[in-house]
Amino acid sequence: DAGVIQSPRHEVTEMGQEVTLRCKPISGHDYLFWYRQTMMRGLELLIYFNNNVPIDDSGMPEDRFSAKMPNASFSTLKIQPSEPRDSAVYFCASSLVGVSYNEQFFGPGTRLTVL
Amino acid sequence: AQSVTQLGSHVSVSEGALVLLRCNYSSSVPPYLFWYVQYPNQGLQLLLKYTSAATLVKGINGFEAEFKKSETSFHLTKPSAHMSDAAEYFCAVSFNAGGTSYGKLTFGQGTILTVHP
Repeated sequence: DAGVIQSPRHEVTEMGQEVTLRCKPISGHDYLFWYRQTMMRGLELLIYFNNNVPIDDSGMPEDRFSAKMPNASFSTLKIQPSEPRDSAVYFCASSLVGVSYNEQFFGPGTRLTVL
Repeated sequence: AQSVTQLGSHVSVSEGALVLLRCNYSSSVPPYLFWYVQYPNQGLQLLLKYTSAATLVKGINGFEAEFKKSETSFHLTKPSAHMSDAAEYFCAVSFNAGGTSYGKLTFGQGTILTVHP
């Protein structure tokens, strides 16, 4: 298996622009998680899905952030409009709950820089 | 509610010395416990996991961790540090019960390990 795939790996954009981050989970996994990592706040869970349905979005910082999972093999995290404080590394992770003891498999991350 | 505390945000050791990274957890039910490692500019990678089968768990790269229920701890150790062990290490807890936390991992704040020659 190719593992969790994220694109792009790096994104540089200007304040006010829309940013879309993409994730392809491991085939057959039923949970998908979006995290944000910064030096100041560490690793934060933004939102997670079970069988394509959002379960908990309490970690989404503002209405500027939205996430979708239209099918089992694809998810997006969108920031509109972007701000410099959104600069961070965004990770996607997937798991097969109930089989792997909730072990999560992480993608390589997308490093976002908002100028 | 479940929580994880990692004692020490930075740990520095000499090459060849013992590595000890501390993790304490809080969980109302028997937990699943994990250690992940993050090398620079990479995602998190599983080192080892405790799933109640054995209290001493061996992982990759010579690391091991011992689950101590009486101390609510799951400390990570390695007898002899290598330069390649320099990374950030995260402890995480989960449990297989219903509710909104089902399937989630709760992560500690991370410990950066530096290895000196």
